[in-house]
Amino acid sequence: SAVISQKPSRDICQRGTSLTIQCQVDSQVTMMFWYRQQPGQSLTLIATANQGSEATYESGFVIDKFPISRPNLTFSTLTVSNMSPEDSSIYLCSVVDRTRGNYGYTFGSGTRLTVV
Amino acid sequence: AQTVTQSQPEMSVQEAETVTLSCTYDTSESDYYLFWYKQPPSRQMILVIRQEAYKQQNATENRFSVNFQKAAKSFSLKISDSQLGDAAMYFCAYRSANAGKSTFGDGTTLTVKP
Repeated sequence: SAVISQKPSRDICQRGTSLTIQCQVDSQVTMMFWYRQQPGQSLTLIATANQGSEATYESGFVIDKFPISRPNLTFSTLTVSNMSPEDSSIYLCSVVDRTRGNYGYTFGSGTRLTVV
Repeated sequence: AQTVTQSQPEMSVQEAETVTLSCTYDTSESDYYLFWYKQPPSRQMILVIRQEAYKQQNATENRFSVNFQKAAKSFSLKISDSQLGDAAMYFCAYRSANAGKSTFGDGTTLTVKP
């Protein structure tokens, strides 16, 4: 299956600053997905990152707050901008794993963000 | 929009016993995938099992099996011979065959008692 390297694994940031999270996949994928997860809760999709075009954001998420880059088919970044304590969460990237006909997600290991 | 409902926030099972986690979903589509994911306390989310909606046969992966009832829009996960390593949060997820993004349920925290 695909392997995703996600960095950083955790960070503590001051309010008003920005953090960029990186995901590197070991194979080429068309779409990458960015999710947010409050500890012990479900996953909420932030946006879908497509190579060569702007990301598609879900309702409640805007590009100014969560800019996404997708420079090639193996890499993407999510920036959490002008952070507030409400942004404290776990951020996950994922891809559809088509290995052996497996159509589920492979996830990165997550970034635990704490905003103080 | 599709919705996924897991009505059991917490479940517990004795080691070596069998437990079933429930999931229902709502969709107007006919072609889709359903998944169960496991998220241990270490946080890495992994795929446990998947089911294609067009297949009548229930999926099985070793000790994990599903009961897929398409008409009832039900997709339960059965874990047989539960092990301590099965303790985790389990998420049911839906994905349209025409889209890459998935919708997740709220999760069920499974505790395995020795």
